[in-house]
Amino acid sequence: DADVTQTPRNRITKTGKRIMLECSQTKGHDRMYWYRQDPGLGLRLIYYSFDVKDINKGEISDGYSVSRQAQAKFSLSLESAIPNQTALYFCATSDLQSPWEQYFGPGTRLTVT
Amino acid sequence: GEDVEQSLFLSVREGDSSVINCTYTDSSSTYLYWYKQEPGAGLQLLTYIFSNMDMKQDQRLTVLLNKKDKHLSLRIADTQTGDSAIYFCAESPDNYGQNFVFGPGTRLSVLP
Repeated sequence: DADVTQTPRNRITKTGKRIMLECSQTKGHDRMYWYRQDPGLGLRLIYYSFDVKDINKGEISDGYSVSRQAQAKFSLSLESAIPNQTALYFCATSDLQSPWEQYFGPGTRLTVT
Repeated sequence: GEDVEQSLFLSVREGDSSVINCTYTDSSSTYLYWYKQEPGAGLQLLTYIFSNMDMKQDQRLTVLLNKKDKHLSLRIADTQTGDSAIYFCAESPDNYGQNFVFGPGTRLSVLP
């Protein structure tokens, strides 16, 4: 089984809808991250969490919110989706000893029409 | 702000060497990374190098760092079809995990 899973894998939604992307991990890592990938651009950090009580904004947090429900679960929400949030979204985890080694989920392809 | 640049495409013949290049602008970059993304999958850390090193070799992979020119390269020897993927260069001023700057990725196509 995959160590980092994301649901759904694909989602098409309409402008203005609320949508939640979920991430679960079995690696036992404390640190979790949400990234966005756009064509021709590198990954950009949306939010990160170093433990259940710690949530931090990344480079592009506007329009997004997150929830760390447990050590193993980190959800990303779009309160009111807009077309320029169409992208590939990745969740990642890392541990305290080697935080630079991030383990990525397979990604969620989100399309906002 | 910081920027990481890579060419977007590279094609090589199976068995040849591949060289993927990356340039970065942040002179305080301390850690430099290469990630691999296979189709339909997330990124996987391939290797990393600290700024106090010039070269790192790991089996078929060789990383070269030119700090003066802020240039990083990844050489894959004896390239195989399984090496076809997108390769991302990334840099960070620290090893905390939340300050990565990723390049746009180079799509490597290995031709038979």
